[in-house]
Amino acid sequence: EIVMTQSPATLSVSPGERATLSCRASQSVSSNLVWYQQKPGQAPRLLIYGASTRATGIPARFSGSGSGTEFTLTISSLQSEDFAVYYCQQYNSWPNTFGHGTRLESK
Amino acid sequence: EVQLVESGGGLVQPGGSLRLSCVASGFTFSNYNINWVRQAPGKGLEWVSYISSSSSITYYADSVKGRFTISRDNAKNSLYLQMNNLRDEDTAVYYCAREGILSDTNSYYYYALDVWGQGTTVTVSS
Repeated sequence: EIVMTQSPATLSVSPGERATLSCRASQSVSSNLVWYQQKPGQAPRLLIYGASTRATGIPARFSGSGSGTEFTLTISSLQSEDFAVYYCQQYNSWPNTFGHGTRLESK
Repeated sequence: EVQLVESGGGLVQPGGSLRLSCVASGFTFSNYNINWVRQAPGKGLEWVSYISSSSSITYYADSVKGRFTISRDNAKNSLYLQMNNLRDEDTAVYYCAREGILSDTNSYYYYALDVWGQGTTVTVSS
């Protein structure tokens, strides 16, 4: 089973600033990496697939990068609605494991 | 509107059984693979089970293998999760999620869970 490790667990950033979230895989997942956003009381929402392609309707301030074992989600200028929990998921091999999430909070 | 709606959650005693349902609308259900993903209170997401569009392939997380059974009825646009011998640690919100096949600008295709239901809550407690 591929273990996905997200860091940091909690990230405090001021609105308007840049946020950088990391996700590491225990073995290569190529570009088969997905990012989701989850707000309290809501289902997760697809943000990024293929490591770097934004899903339909996702603002351009969200960007993903990386391949192999190291991945990054960057939010260029944080808006109030971006404070949430972010999960990465590998889609390279079964089981399609999730990371434990990064909570992005307002500083 | 593309939608998934779960139902069937509730309170059940340890060792008991429950059957979750997920009804799809707004898309051709029979064309898509579907997953169950759960989230324990205050915890992260955990993938639970997968079923292919034709039901020919199923996968389970080790934590539920032998106790849970995923199935679907394409004629009813419905997905099911039969959960037996429930444990305290199965307490969670259970989401059904559609597996989309999505392309990038280079026409490479990737999988992702692109449509999620609102979830149904399962509580296992005596």
